[in-house]
Amino acid sequence: GAGVSQTPSNKVTEKGKYVELRCDPISGHTALYWYRQSLGQGPEFLIYFQGTGAADDSGLPNDRFFAVRPEGSVSTLKIQRTERGDSAVYLCASSLGGLAHEQFFGPGTRLTVL
Amino acid sequence: QQPVQSPQAVILREGEDAVINCSSSKALYSVHWYRQKHGEAPVFLMILLKGGEQKGHDKISASFNEKKQQSSLYLTASQLSYSGTYFCGTEAPGSARQLTFGSGTQLTVLP
Repeated sequence: GAGVSQTPSNKVTEKGKYVELRCDPISGHTALYWYRQSLGQGPEFLIYFQGTGAADDSGLPNDRFFAVRPEGSVSTLKIQRTERGDSAVYLCASSLGGLAHEQFFGPGTRLTVL
Repeated sequence: QQPVQSPQAVILREGEDAVINCSSSKALYSVHWYRQKHGEAPVFLMILLKGGEQKGHDKISASFNEKKQQSSLYLTASQLSYSGTYFCGTEAPGSARQLTFGSGTQLTVLP
């Protein structure tokens, strides 16, 4: 079956611009996660959705970052007024939900802010 | 708080064994292990739940010592395909399912 997909695979933008990153989870997975990974580091948690609602957004670095999952499937991570420090690989993962379920990761979107 | 992984890097010859450790300062509900190759998504290896269980998958196994809040990943008779960066992700009680990842252990298997 299809895995987690993310688009675009690469995004280059200029400082101050707005970007949207999309994640298509595995069908039937109710839980969806966004992580950010910088070079040489492990993924860093941003936000977790259970269904349509954000169950935990404690990892979002500031109010420039926002994510939605309006129908409980596809999710969009939105970044306003991008800064050079936002450059990273943004990973999306999905799972069946609940504790101790494996999270399946997508290939990521590499964001470069010039 | 981020779990601490050791060693940071290890180089092996094909057929040799390796151990990667993951240690947390917080009480844990579970530990997840992933392998990531350069430019690719992390790939799930296994989950260990509290209770001191051990798991195995082919020649890769792991243990979880709940009391010490430590997990170890054991790679036996390593193959070239084992090369990559290994991450442990920890899940704490009440953490709403998010994983906190260590900074990784880079494993290189040489022929």
